[in-house]
Amino acid sequence: EAGVTQFPSHSVIEKGQTVTLRCDPISGHDNLYWYRRVMGKEIKFLLHFVKESKQDESGMPNNRFLAERTGGTYSTLKVQPAELEDSGVYFCASSQLANHETQYFGPGTRLLVL
Amino acid sequence: SQQGEEDPQALSIQEGENATMNCSYKTSINNLQWYRQNSGRGLVHLILIRSNEREKHSGRLRVTLDTSKKSSSLLITASRAADTASYFCATAPYNNNDMRFGAGTRLTVKP
Repeated sequence: EAGVTQFPSHSVIEKGQTVTLRCDPISGHDNLYWYRRVMGKEIKFLLHFVKESKQDESGMPNNRFLAERTGGTYSTLKVQPAELEDSGVYFCASSQLANHETQYFGPGTRLLVL
Repeated sequence: SQQGEEDPQALSIQEGENATMNCSYKTSINNLQWYRQNSGRGLVHLILIRSNEREKHSGRLRVTLDTSKKSSSLLITASRAADTASYFCATAPYNNNDMRFGAGTRLTVKP
């Protein structure tokens, strides 16, 4: 069974540009989560989808970040316009059930904003 | 406030020795999970311990949970060079489904 996949693995962009990250969860997992780890800091929750609906987006830092999960399968996280402080590793995770079940993480996308 | 704070921040041991990492948290939790991250790779789930459990084992891993002290420990016995990685604890609060991670402990096992 394929795990959670993320694309791209690395992205280097200039401040002001737009970047779109993609996450493909494990097939059949209704729950999809985005996290990010800014350089040297802890991993922080961004948001949680249940199928195509945003269950909790309390961790989204500001309105430059837009997450979608049309059709309830893969998800995209768009940063527009990107700022220097957005640099970090963006992780996606999925789980079959919510309610604190184990989440399976993807390899992450390393974003560098210059 | 940050949930799930690990200590030490870095730990260096010789192969064959045991490694102990600690995690403290602030709010009531449903469960606590430990993850490993090898350099440049994603997070790998190691073990989950529920709030009503005190100890759990998985292979060379032993996790304890003390809810009265709001702390957990991860013990890796007979460490191997391949155990070199960053280890994170993550807590799942009762009131929501997202997890809170600490900054991690960087473990280096020297061959």
